[in-house]
Amino acid sequence: AQTVTQSQPEMSVQEAETVTLSCTYDTSESDYYLFWYKQPPSRQMILVIRQEAYKQQNATENRFSVNFQKAAKSFSLKISDSQLGDAAMYFCAYRGLNNDMRFGAGTRLTVKP
Amino acid sequence: GAVVSQHPSWVICKSGTSVKIECRSLDFQATTMFWYRQFPKQSLMLMATSNEGSKATYEQGVEKDKFLINHASLTLSTLTVTSAHPEDSSFYICSALRGGSGTEAFFGQGTRLTVV
Repeated sequence: AQTVTQSQPEMSVQEAETVTLSCTYDTSESDYYLFWYKQPPSRQMILVIRQEAYKQQNATENRFSVNFQKAAKSFSLKISDSQLGDAAMYFCAYRGLNNDMRFGAGTRLTVKP
Repeated sequence: GAVVSQHPSWVICKSGTSVKIECRSLDFQATTMFWYRQFPKQSLMLMATSNEGSKATYEQGVEKDKFLINHASLTLSTLTVTSAHPEDSSFYICSALRGGSGTEAFFGQGTRLTVV
């Protein structure tokens, strides 16, 4: 079974600075998708960014970018120019061939003004 | 973007009763929906995968007779917690997969269940 590991329970960043959230995963599949989701206090899951495993180019969405290292099974999220609204729980997720999505334990991000 | 509506947002029920949670894809057809459970300050744990017109696939350790899942149409999946007990109190979230493999999963807003 696939597993997703987020080793940072909590992270803190100063407003306007950059922070990187770590994620590793374990799988025997060659084709899969990786995601970062944000869960604010409302608990609504919000997609931040996605990466297809067959693509070598790292995905980027405005201030959010990933560092995808397929061989190392690593998928970190970089948030640039952090804003107060970025404060939330961030979950790394894996979706494989059977489409079910597995989540990491989450990282709580605090943004300091 | 696509919208998934989950109802109710919160519910309180007595021990021993059953409660039904609905998950609707409002503007797309979802052949596959997923049900998750989230304990406070923890991650989302996949409970089951719901496929339209067929039996749900449950994760190991999830009691299928306790958590009944029905996916009778392409826009609606329901989770019924039968004979609820206080330990079933949790946050339940559904997600719907639009189209086939490679598309995005959209999440409902979740349901907070409290069993008293």
